[in-house]
Amino acid sequence: DSGVTQTPKHLITATGQRVTLRCSPRSGDLSVYWYQQSLDQGLQFLIHYYNGEERAKGNILERFSAQQFPDLHSELNLSSLELGDSALYFCASSVRAGEETQYFGPGTRLLVL
Amino acid sequence: DAKTTQPNSMESNEEEPVHLPCNHSTISGTDYIHWYRQLPSQGPEYVIHGLTSNVNNRMASLAIAEDRKSSTLILHRATLRDAAVYYCILRPLENNFNKFYFGSGTKLNVKP
Repeated sequence: DSGVTQTPKHLITATGQRVTLRCSPRSGDLSVYWYQQSLDQGLQFLIHYYNGEERAKGNILERFSAQQFPDLHSELNLSSLELGDSALYFCASSVRAGEETQYFGPGTRLLVL
Repeated sequence: DAKTTQPNSMESNEEEPVHLPCNHSTISGTDYIHWYRQLPSQGPEYVIHGLTSNVNNRMASLAIAEDRKSSTLILHRATLRDAAVYYCILRPLENNFNKFYFGSGTKLNVKP
């Protein structure tokens, strides 16, 4: 158990819908990272937040957005969902922005029908 | 962007050592070499990292070539629990996570 929690564990929705994925980092960790893992693209970095501020963006679509709240939990919002958005979404956390080790949560499996 | 090349899959017998290779010929001087692994149905898990010198921890050893263009993750005694996908990742010192590239990894199968 990494100490990172993600909810929900599974999510099934339809195309065009909007969903919110939630992540609670390990106690004391200020950084939160979001990744998408699909069968054809592998594990891709989406976005990084540090202490409430966006620090880096990866291959994140404009239909996706994220935020980190004052209690340090983070939410990833996915809108206008397409079939290709079906994937595992992982959240990771680390103590600081430049920390060597990231601790990954168990992931949220999203299925868009 | 500096990327890594790993074999798609490897097989090992239980309780034998496993050497997982990784090539990173375009590595820059400030890139750290990280290894993560992903067990079935779980999120990735940190294994080890290094810059220039060989590193050991309770999970594994990391051997880095003198020219840093390749590295090897060594599991000293593989167990069934070590069956996972192992990712070799280059992480720039300047913390640009656009370059935190996982690649396709090596799927390790451990036979009893």
